Amino acid sequence: QVQLQESGPGLVKPSETLSLTCSVSGGSMSDSYWSWIRQPPGKGLEWVGYMYYSGSTNYNPSLKSRVTMSVDMSKNQFSLKLSSVTAADTAVYYCVGSARGSASWVVSLWGRGTLVTVSS
Amino acid sequence: QSALTQPASVSESPGQSITISCSGTSSDVGGYNYVSWYQQHPGEAPKLMIYDVSSRPSGVSNRFSGSKSGNTASLTISGLQAQDEADYYCSSYTTSSTVVFGGGTKLTVL
Repeated sequence: QVQLQESGPGLVKPSETLSLTCSVSGGSMSDSYWSWIRQPPGKGLEWVGYMYYSGSTNYNPSLKSRVTMSVDMSKNQFSLKLSSVTAADTAVYYCVGSARGSASWVVSLWGRGTLVTVSS
Repeated sequence: QSALTQPASVSESPGQSITISCSGTSSDVGGYNYVSWYQQHPGEAPKLMIYDVSSRPSGVSNRFSGSKSGNTASLTISGLQAQDEADYYCSSYTTSSTVVFGGGTKLTVL
């Protein structure tokens, strides 16, 4: 069974870059979409962006200028970088995936989420 | 892109049925049959309950069903149980090849 695990700093200073990595275990990353979804404390879900295993990406228009997603197939990992963060970027960040052959909007695989707080 | 519109909260008694709506535009909900629904219990990651408007992933109870009419999608839960009490989110693919979520609906089973 495929499992996802987020890793990265839990605290980031304002104006710096948030960097998270998602490790995929129990299966291959091939033929699948991989995404990041975030949830500010007490609020709803926000889609950050998705990436096909080949590396093509699509980002939330409101975050597009600050987001970069990448994949490292050799390590079975994908990553998120969000630059120039502010307090509004404080959220639980979930790394998620679509089952092999499924569409990007069918998110059936979820990490447990990691809280990233932006504060000086 | 604007978030899809869901009621903030709904409530119903055990054993009854309830429907949660998700309103969008012709650029998202109305434009494709690519609406998903997620259930989230407090402190947990969301779980996919419905995809492509009305399809159920393996393992999801058939008490959960989805439908769509025009720019509005709906999630119906029949035979409500205490364990169904959770937050529910809809999402849709968009004409910009992005994904947009609804604001979420808190379901209370009275």
